[in-house]
Amino acid sequence: EAGVAQSPRYKIIEKRQSVAFWCNPISGHATLYWYQQILGQGPKLLIQFQNNGVVDDSQLPKDRFSAERLKGVDSTLKIQPAKLEDSAVYLCASSLRERVYTGELFFGEGSRLTVL
Amino acid sequence: DAKTTQPPSMDCAEGRAANLPCNHSTISGNEYVYWYRQIHSQGPQYIIHGLKNNETNEMASLIITEDRKSSTLILPHATLRDTAVYYCIVRETGANNLFFGTGTRLTVIP
Repeated sequence: EAGVAQSPRYKIIEKRQSVAFWCNPISGHATLYWYQQILGQGPKLLIQFQNNGVVDDSQLPKDRFSAERLKGVDSTLKIQPAKLEDSAVYLCASSLRERVYTGELFFGEGSRLTVL
Repeated sequence: DAKTTQPPSMDCAEGRAANLPCNHSTISGNEYVYWYRQIHSQGPQYIIHGLKNNETNEMASLIITEDRKSSTLILPHATLRDTAVYYCIVRETGANNLFFGTGTRLTVIP
């Protein structure tokens, strides 16, 4: 079974530029998450989708971050304009389970962003 | 805010059992305890979860105290590939996601 795919693996940009990350979840997984992991910290949830609808985006800095999941499969996370503090690994995860959370999350390898 | 407390780091000799403790004294009755690990440069990986009974799978065992205020993850025969950060997580009431703290960095020593 193929895992969660993410691209690009690495991205270096200058502050105020824009960047986009792509995620393809495991086939059949209705729930998709984007996490941000700053060096030395645990992952922090940015946004959660159930199919193509947003379940939780309370931690997403909406002035600069946006995410979409068209057709309930692939997802894109965009940052515009980027700030130095956005340097982090952006992890995508997917899950079979829905709102009654009893399942496990499957994570991709992440996209490492460096903002100069 | 994190609902669990873990030691920041531990060492374990290769081939020995690794016992990783976690304190979750404010856990409520319907909250599960989850363990994930994150090997360097990879995404977190699910290990095991439980509610009140001890659980075992091919990767590890989870021992939850009777009062559910603490738990221990046991890797029975640690290998060098088990070197990772281990996260103990309690699912927040009413939330859908998992809150990751800073975890325990386990180093398996040859």
